[in-house]
This record gives sequence, structure tokens and C-alpha cells, in this order.
Amino acid sequence: KQEVTQIPAALSVPEGENLVLNCSFTDSAIYNLQWFRQDPGKGLTSLLLIQSSQREQTSGRLNASLDKSSGRSTLYIAASQPGDSATYLCAVRPTSGAGSYQLTFGKGTKLSVIP
Amino acid sequence: NAGVTQTPKFRILKIGQSMTLQCAQDMNHNYMYWYRQDPGMGLKLIYYSVGAGITDKGEVPNGYNVSRSTTEDFPLRLELAAPSQTSVYFCASSYGTGSLEQYFGPGTRLTVT
Repeated sequence: KQEVTQIPAALSVPEGENLVLNCSFTDSAIYNLQWFRQDPGKGLTSLLLIQSSQREQTSGRLNASLDKSSGRSTLYIAASQPGDSATYLCAVRPTSGAGSYQLTFGKGTKLSVIP
Repeated sequence: NAGVTQTPKFRILKIGQSMTLQCAQDMNHNYMYWYRQDPGMGLKLIYYSVGAGITDKGEVPNGYNVSRSTTEDFPLRLELAAPSQTSVYFCASSYGTGSLEQYFGPGTRLTVT
């Protein structure tokens, strides 16, 4: 059964710092990996999606990398801002089988950026 | 486009009551999903649908039912509500081909007492 782990569970950084959020998964047979942002009391906003054949994706100050063979992904946030404060979730989709429609989520990393 | 919409935003139920959570999308996505999120836990899939008239169970389907009569709507029915169903419920949708990137609604916070 696929398991997704996100470390650390919470992170507090001063404004302007570059930071890395980590995501690891136990089964490397994935179709893609998706990073989401969740603000308190709100839904999930898709940030980046990396297909299994890709190594990284970039959007603005965000860069996500994927190392499928080692079961790891990182989300790099450059020049952090207080508006980046949120919980960041990663989720993986398997390649095939009965559960191929199912995203498996990590529990998230709660990021606080201090002005 | 409104994207994925959910109603209601909040609801309190008594044990044994029933209710339907509504979900609609206007992106012409053929895949739709229902997840629940418990405090400190990752989201878990309840049911999904790959098109009108086709639904299937996810990881945690017990106590719930779904139907998909149109492409746009995917309601989730709770029968005989139990305290264990206290959670935040998210609906999502995606295309059925390509990246299958999922788009989420704002959620419904349900409390069963």
C-alpha cells in the first residue's frame, strides 16, 4: 500500500528565506505527483504537477523536483513571503490497477513565514 | 468559470440523520471525486466517478452513497449519520486523460453530534 510522508510537519521561517519541503513515498510506480496548498478553512489549490517522466516543474518562485527511483519529491520556495503561510500537501497517483484513480496524500507541512 | 462548487459550507447533524452534500463543476470534467479530511490526517478517497452513470468505491466508502446522473453534478449522500463521519468533505474533478490534474472545491465542514 502506498504511503506518503511529509517532513517536517511544521516549519517556521523568517521572511525572505529560501526553503525546502520534503515528500517521500514508498511505491515508486507512480503516474504523477501533485503539490497542493491549503489555507485554513479552505479547499486545496493545485500548485505543481510532475509527471513520472519529468524531473522538475517550475511556477514563479516555486520549483518541485521528483526522484521517482528514490521515492522523493521536494518543493522549493524562493524568497518566502508571509502570504506563503499555509499547509502544503503532496499527493501521488499510482500508474495502474484498481486504485489508479486514487490520490494518496501526505499529512502536510504547515508553513509559517514570519514578517 | 466557477470551477468546483460545494454546498453547504457548514452543517451540524444529529446522530441518525441523513443529508446530501452537493458538488458541481463547470469545467466539463468527466472524472469526479469525494474525499474526507480528518484533523492532522491526509485526505482519503470516499467515492469516485469516471462519467455519468459510473461510480466506484474509494478507500473509505462505508456509510456513504453517491450517484452521477449528469457530467456536472456528483452528490454525496450520508445515511444514518455517525460521530465518526465528523470531517471536512472535499469534492474534486479532473479530465479523464492527460495529466489527470485534480481541482478541488472549498469543502463542507460536517459535525455529527
